[in-house]
Amino acid sequence: KQEVTQIPAALSVPEGENLVLNCSFTDSAIYNLQWFRQDPGKGLTSLLLIQSSQREQTSGRLNASLDKSSGRSTLYIAASQPGDSATYLCAVSPYTGANSKLTFGKGITLSVRP
Amino acid sequence: GAGVSQSPSNKVTEKGKDVELRCDPISGHTALYWYRQRLGQGLEFLIYFQGNSAPDKSGLPSDRFSAERTGESVSTLTIQRTQQEDSAVYLCASSLASGSHEQFFGPGTRLTVL
Repeated sequence: KQEVTQIPAALSVPEGENLVLNCSFTDSAIYNLQWFRQDPGKGLTSLLLIQSSQREQTSGRLNASLDKSSGRSTLYIAASQPGDSATYLCAVSPYTGANSKLTFGKGITLSVRP
Repeated sequence: GAGVSQSPSNKVTEKGKDVELRCDPISGHTALYWYRQRLGQGLEFLIYFQGNSAPDKSGLPSDRFSAERTGESVSTLTIQRTQQEDSAVYLCASSLASGSHEQFFGPGTRLTVL
């Protein structure tokens, strides 16, 4: 059974700092990995998706990397801002057909202090 | 274009009552997923639809839970005889069945069972 772990559960940093959020998964047979952002009381916003054949994806100040063989992904946030404060979730989908049901980590709650 | 929508946004019900939650996926998305997020827990997969068939119901926690989908459009998740442990945010996501399978989430329905 796939398990996804995100440690630590919470992180507080000063504005402007570059930071790395970690995600690990136990079964390397994945189709893709997605990073999401969740604001309090809101749904999930997709940030980046990495296919299993890719090693990284970039969007603005965000960069996500994937090392499938070691079961790890990182989300790098450059020059953090208070508006980046949210919970960041990583999720993986299995390598089986069209069913891409996601297995989620519990998330990392990020607080960026002004 | 319009994203995934869900209704109602909040639902408070009494123990033992039945509830229906609705999801409108992104137009053209043939795959639809339901997830549940209980307080302090990660998101849990409930059910996957491809078109109007549900090839994966493995996440439904009990026979009180059921779901249906009309064509490649609206889906309803029904919980019969609600229990307090059913209190959670119910999230719906949709994706194209081919390609990257990136999932796009709705804002969720917050269900509170008193």
